[in-house]
Amino acid sequence: SNSVKQTGQITVSEGASVTMNCTYTSTGYPTLFWYVEYPSKPLQLLQRETMENSKNFGGGNIKDKNSPIVKYSVQVSDSAVYYCLPLLKICTASKLTFGTGTRLQVTL
Amino acid sequence: DGGITQSPKYLFRKEGQNVTLSCEQNLNHDAMYWYRQDPGQGLRLIYYSQIVNDFQKGDIAEGYSVSREKKESFPLTVTSAQKNPTAFYLCASIGQGFLNEQFFGPGTRLTVL
Repeated sequence: SNSVKQTGQITVSEGASVTMNCTYTSTGYPTLFWYVEYPSKPLQLLQRETMENSKNFGGGNIKDKNSPIVKYSVQVSDSAVYYCLPLLKICTASKLTFGTGTRLQVTL
Repeated sequence: DGGITQSPKYLFRKEGQNVTLSCEQNLNHDAMYWYRQDPGQGLRLIYYSQIVNDFQKGDIAEGYSVSREKKESFPLTVTSAQKNPTAFYLCASIGQGFLNEQFFGPGTRLTVL
């Protein structure tokens, strides 16, 4: 079974760069999905990291079971809750465990 | 447009009553999920179903029941046995193949008075 850990809350000023961590345990190398939840809106997919494209994302990678998401020059509109979801079984749906989410607050 | 619908958006019930939340998808997805969201606790899995007429308990299934008689529908019943039913409930489905993206419904906020 998976366990997923995320930083609880991050507060930064507009224009800063921010790294939101996601560390997880799994028996293999999952595809890592990041979802974002803006206030009063449904969850939506932000990015999808695989073993093949892992080098295109900032910091860490799937081999290390540590796949942060990095946002540069954040704006107030980026304030949201960000969830990571490691999905191991590509061809068969399975029990999915989300991280607890990182609440990003961007201030002026 | 393909997607997931949940109804109603807001639901109020008296304590001790069972209530059923609707979830419908027209994405032709086999797998469907129910999550509960509480402040500071993220998304917790209640039940999931990989195929019609089959479903499994998630992490917090006590006090809930589901059915999967049709591929496009996965209703969730919050029973009187659920001690803290007031929450935001999210339904999701997932497609097979390379993308495997989960699609989420808009959610139902249940308040038990």
